[in-house]
Amino acid sequence: EPEVTQTPSHQVTQMGQEVILRCVPISNHLYFYWYRQILGQKVEFLVSFYNNEISEKSEIFDDQFSVERPDGSNFTLKIRSTKLEDSAMYFCASSDLRDRATSYNEQFFGPGTRLTVL
Amino acid sequence: QKEVEQNSGPLSVPEGAIASLNCTYSDRGSQSFFWYRQYSGKSPELIMFIYSNGDKEDGRFTAQLNKASQYVSLLIRDSQPSDSATYLCAVNGEAGRRALTFGSGTRLQVQP
Repeated sequence: EPEVTQTPSHQVTQMGQEVILRCVPISNHLYFYWYRQILGQKVEFLVSFYNNEISEKSEIFDDQFSVERPDGSNFTLKIRSTKLEDSAMYFCASSDLRDRATSYNEQFFGPGTRLTVL
Repeated sequence: QKEVEQNSGPLSVPEGAIASLNCTYSDRGSQSFFWYRQYSGKSPELIMFIYSNGDKEDGRFTAQLNKASQYVSLLIRDSQPSDSATYLCAVNGEAGRRALTFGSGTRLQVQP
């Protein structure tokens, strides 16, 4: 069964450093997402991406964050200058294009990258 | 501010019983509703989705949606110890939006 994959599984970085989290969405999916979950808290939406551009983003997704689809398979989240409060699990998800005019879309999550900022 | 509310639990049920998990949401324009299961330290796993009022059954799981009451529930029949996890309710907004708003989850414990 196809699945979303993410690398690395755990990333430790120093405050102020740049990190890139990588994801390979399910191959025939067209919508890609990043979510994060701070330990003990809710899963929070960061950004969605379709047709090589951001389609939605949350207030969390500020100028420190960027996303890119550098090739036909990878989808990346870059945090330019990490802060202590960026420590969280980051989940990539993908969904296919059932109907762009509706919100009917089942999103499938990858295993996550645990980001620890020291 | 769109909210999705769930009782944090833990909800404890004996093996073989029916577990009932509830969720309310604040955005009346919400179109689609999802239940995810999350084991400790793992990612959310999609187990059910529902788009229309009424019931939707899939194996031991039944999702129920009442848009007038802004209420969605998940029933798990014949609960097994392996069902012990946190169950997350997630809601999409109005048409065309795809961001999921998650509840904080209900922790289910199935006692052998």
